[in-house]
Amino acid sequence: SQTIHQWPATLVQPVGSPLSLECTVEGTSNPNLYWYRQAAGRGLQLLFYSVGIGQISSEVPQNLSASRPQDRQFILSSKKLLLSDSGFYLCAWRNRGGEFFGPGTRLTVL
Amino acid sequence: KNQVEQSPQSLIILEGKNCTLQCNYTVSPFSNLRWYKQDTGRGPVSLTIMTFSENTKSNGRYTATLDADTKQSSLHITASQLSDSASYICVVRADNTNAGKSTFGDGTTLTVKP
Repeated sequence: SQTIHQWPATLVQPVGSPLSLECTVEGTSNPNLYWYRQAAGRGLQLLFYSVGIGQISSEVPQNLSASRPQDRQFILSSKKLLLSDSGFYLCAWRNRGGEFFGPGTRLTVL
Repeated sequence: KNQVEQSPQSLIILEGKNCTLQCNYTVSPFSNLRWYKQDTGRGPVSLTIMTFSENTKSNGRYTATLDADTKQSSLHITASQLSDSASYICVVRADNTNAGKSTFGDGTTLTVKP
């Protein structure tokens, strides 16, 4: 069965610091991978998706970026965090049935 | 513009009672509709998925209905338990390709009290 991992689980970072969140998927090859952000009490916002290695599509302009260095690895990064980057970040892979989400990373920017 | 609207925004019920959550959508073309349960601080977990031809789908005490004509779906929870306290998210997929876009509702926060 497929498993999706995210780390770290929680992160507290100062404004202006860099960010790197990692997501890996097991049990499937060439998955479509997604990064979502969920603000407190709000719905999920699609940030990036990738259909293959090195292929990144951005949905929302912001100071975040994504990379896919390996088939089952998806990384979310920032060079300088903003207060507004705080939130719950979810990685997901998808088949025709729907999305399967990772456990999430809680990011607090102070 | 594709939209998914859920109601109510929040709901409090007593343990053992039933409840129904609503989802209205304007996504087109329609591929499927999914209900997710998201516990606090966790990733969403799929409860049900329905395609255009399905009008009801059950998963234990959870029963989802779909009316593709009126573009409405509901999630009925029977004999609620404390562990049902969570956010329930309705998601509609625009097409069944891998690039098909999903539109998420903002969720209904359910609190079950003893």
